[in-house]
Amino acid sequence: DIQMTQSPSSLSASVGDRITITCRASQNIDKFLTWYQYKPGSAPKVVIYGASYLQTGAPSRFGGSGSGTDFTLTITSLQPEDFATYYCQQSYNFPGTFGQGTILEIK
Amino acid sequence: QVQLQESGPGLVNPSETLSLTCTISGGSISTYYWSWIRHFPGKGLEWIGYIQYNGNTLQNPSLKGRVTTSLDMSRSQFSLKLRSVTAADTALYYCARLNWNAYRKFDSWGQGILVTVSS
Repeated sequence: DIQMTQSPSSLSASVGDRITITCRASQNIDKFLTWYQYKPGSAPKVVIYGASYLQTGAPSRFGGSGSGTDFTLTITSLQPEDFATYYCQQSYNFPGTFGQGTILEIK
Repeated sequence: QVQLQESGPGLVNPSETLSLTCTISGGSISTYYWSWIRHFPGKGLEWIGYIQYNGNTLQNPSLKGRVTTSLDMSRSQFSLKLRSVTAADTALYYCARLNWNAYRKFDSWGQGILVTVSS
């Protein structure tokens, strides 16, 4: 299975900050990389798919980049509703595998 | 806007079969892959398997053939059966829609159902 490694595992930031989360795949996954936002008690949501495509309905302050093995999720000007856990997931190879998650907390 | 809702027992005895159903509302069943994913407490997410609208299925090999998925289009439901469960199968189980044509993203998820394996 392809291993997905996210960093950092947790991050403290303030409203208005710009943050970046990285995800590294153990082998080439082209652009088959999705970022999910997860809040306990709610359904996970796609924010970025295809490494850089903004999901319909996701705020434009979310951005993604990368291809091959290295990817980033950037959130510019953090809003209170953005504090959540973020997971990357590869869908290039079967079975699709997830990163361990990055907890984004309010400082 | 498609909505998914999991249902089933929240407690299963060890060695028995975990059975869950996902009800699909507000969207087409065709052209998508209907999936199960689980989230282990304090740990990561694992893709369990999917069933395609035409009945084709695929399961994660890590589950060693314990998984059966089925689809009832007339009722807009798909189901998961996981046999011979142990405490290691305790998790939050999600149903999700896999959009194969959009970089295979899981673009809709249910709220999740916590299943505990314990006697």
